[in-house]
Amino acid sequence: GAVVSQHPSWVICKSGTSVKIECRSLDFQATTMFWYRQFPKQSLMLMATSNEGSKATYEQGVEKDKFLINHASLTLSTLTVTSAHPEDSSFYICSAPRGNTYEQYFGPGTRLTVT
Amino acid sequence: EDQVTQSPEALRLQEGESSSLNCSYTVSGLRGLFWYRQDPGKGPEFLFTLYSAGEEKEKERLKATLTKKESFLHITAPKPEDSATYLCAVQAIGAGNKLTFGGGTRVLVKP
Repeated sequence: GAVVSQHPSWVICKSGTSVKIECRSLDFQATTMFWYRQFPKQSLMLMATSNEGSKATYEQGVEKDKFLINHASLTLSTLTVTSAHPEDSSFYICSAPRGNTYEQYFGPGTRLTVT
Repeated sequence: EDQVTQSPEALRLQEGESSSLNCSYTVSGLRGLFWYRQDPGKGPEFLFTLYSAGEEKEKERLKATLTKKESFLHITAPKPEDSATYLCAVQAIGAGNKLTFGGGTRVLVKP
């Protein structure tokens, strides 16, 4: 069964509003989680690393003030897209490593559409 | 900088027609190479992890192999339900748990 969940699975919002996406590890604790975005027919691009109890680490070119990440517990990370614009429309996916095998498990993704 | 290149970009197969997908990589020090399957509108599903050259892993009709420069995902006698995008990713030593993904190979298996 699924080991990482995301909520919501899809969201439509108006330009200028903020949207929060949740990522939960279901049966394990994750001190680190990762956020990706994926455009149609393209691969996953890492946006940021979410660290429990400390600041997130953002990849080059990702605006930290626009994509706010909070990792408040060992099973929950949130991504907030602030002042969303149509160009932020994308498929956002989170992942978490499980155990000591370095294997990462991905959530089902969240489809964001900004109108 | 770690790089992952997958080929071909797309592959159309007849049911039962075996084939191989390639994943070439350059990484400072390889901790692990990962294969995922992704269906449209869904998150990637974990398939395999390979850690060292010469390692092989199998799951149903899929077999993954690893050399020092590339990995292959062999699909034996594919079925239409094997249609998906297959993603390859590397994890470098010293990079935490970060994954660097290739562009993926879209596989379509026709009945």
